[in-house]
Amino acid sequence: GAVVSQHPSRVICKSGTSVKIECRSLDFQATTMFWYRQFPKQSLMLMATSNEGSKATYEQGVEKDKFLINHASLTLSTLTVTSAHPEDSSFYICSANHRSYNEQFFGPGTRLTVL
Amino acid sequence: AQSVTQLGSHVSVSEGALVLLRCNYSSSVPPYLFWYVQYPNQGLQLLLKYTSAATLVKGINGFEAEFKKSETSFHLTKPSAHMSDAAEYFCAVSESPSGTYKYIFGTGTRLKVLA
Repeated sequence: GAVVSQHPSRVICKSGTSVKIECRSLDFQATTMFWYRQFPKQSLMLMATSNEGSKATYEQGVEKDKFLINHASLTLSTLTVTSAHPEDSSFYICSANHRSYNEQFFGPGTRLTVL
Repeated sequence: AQSVTQLGSHVSVSEGALVLLRCNYSSSVPPYLFWYVQYPNQGLQLLLKYTSAATLVKGINGFEAEFKKSETSFHLTKPSAHMSDAAEYFCAVSESPSGTYKYIFGTGTRLKVLA
């Protein structure tokens, strides 16, 4: 158990378009999910904490209007990159809290390339 | 505030040699510490975690880490490196053991194993 999936795994889009990334906990319910971004050869930087049924909490410096997060159910959180630009190109990783294991489980990541 | 410092962005060891990856933390509250491994274009896999029980923590794939409060360290070791250990390793700290609180990651150490 404790599998987290992300869809899509890779996406290429044109500058100015919006992209939605899904994060699903496949075999458990997650009241809390997290979104990270990782630039090449760098660490994971937390973008926001997403709680089911409430507004996401964004880290300092992360534009909430640009990175829209929705956690509509206990198994799904979505990150929408609005009006994407080349500088938004990155590896986006989500994680979900599994209460039984008292730890976060990470998805495989989504590689976003904005042309 | 919490932070993590990983000394050495790149570490090379010979196959069969000892692996030592360093992690120092800073925390104003009792820390909970984690080591994750990341293979190229993949998400993170938990190797082990310290949650205030035993100070010597054993993880998967033969890895272990020792929590030393006096040195604010949580170094990762493995007695004998295997080629399959080549990957990126991240140390992380959290204020909560439950997984519902955010993780702060270090900058990562890329481990290279030489034949």
